[in-house]
Amino acid sequence: DIVMTQSPDSLAVSLGERATINCRSNQSVLYSSNNKNYLAWYQQKPGQPPKLLIYWASTRESGVPDRFSGSGSGTDFTLTISSLQAEDVAVYYCQQYYTTPRTFGQGTKVEI
Amino acid sequence: EVQLLESGGGLVQPGGSLRLSCAASGFTFSGYAMTWVRQAPGKGLEWVSTINSGGGNTYYTDSVKGRFTISRDNSRNTLHLQMNSLRAEDTAVYYCAQGPAYCGGDCYSYWGQGTLVTVSS
Repeated sequence: DIVMTQSPDSLAVSLGERATINCRSNQSVLYSSNNKNYLAWYQQKPGQPPKLLIYWASTRESGVPDRFSGSGSGTDFTLTISSLQAEDVAVYYCQQYYTTPRTFGQGTKVEI
Repeated sequence: EVQLLESGGGLVQPGGSLRLSCAASGFTFSGYAMTWVRQAPGKGLEWVSTINSGGGNTYYTDSVKGRFTISRDNSRNTLHLQMNSLRAEDTAVYYCAQGPAYCGGDCYSYWGQGTLVTVSS
């Protein structure tokens, strides 16, 4: 199984400041034949289901604010919130869909 | 508007069975892979099972293989998860989720609100 490890487990960021969440996989999720990274990011607020933010490591889902961006390739990925807003307080998860079983990171809690 | 509505959760004793359902609307159900993801209380997300659009291919995480069965009824726009031999560690909120074609069906763009399964004596 591919193990997804996020860092940090939690972080506190001031309003308007940048938040950076890292995700590392123990094997590459880059498929060489199409040069796509099979990596997604989700946001989950308390009492709500997760919301897809990013897929293919860097493609923003429709309707997601452009302050959210994804980067990285192979085994190392980053979710960046460029200017944290109050409504961004949540837990963020990365997920690989390169192989079965699909696996998630343990989550990163973002607070103000 | 896409809607996914889970039902069938509840309290069950260890070794018991439950059947979860997910009623889908607002999209062409038969055209999408569907997935169950669970979340134990206070814990992270765990992929449980996926079924392809036609229902002919199913996939499971190792811990539920042989105990859980995913199925779908495309005529009724409904996804199911039959859960047998339930264990305490199966206690979780179970979400059904839709996987869009633009990520091969394996990232999840729409989620239900979840149904809680509690396995306890």
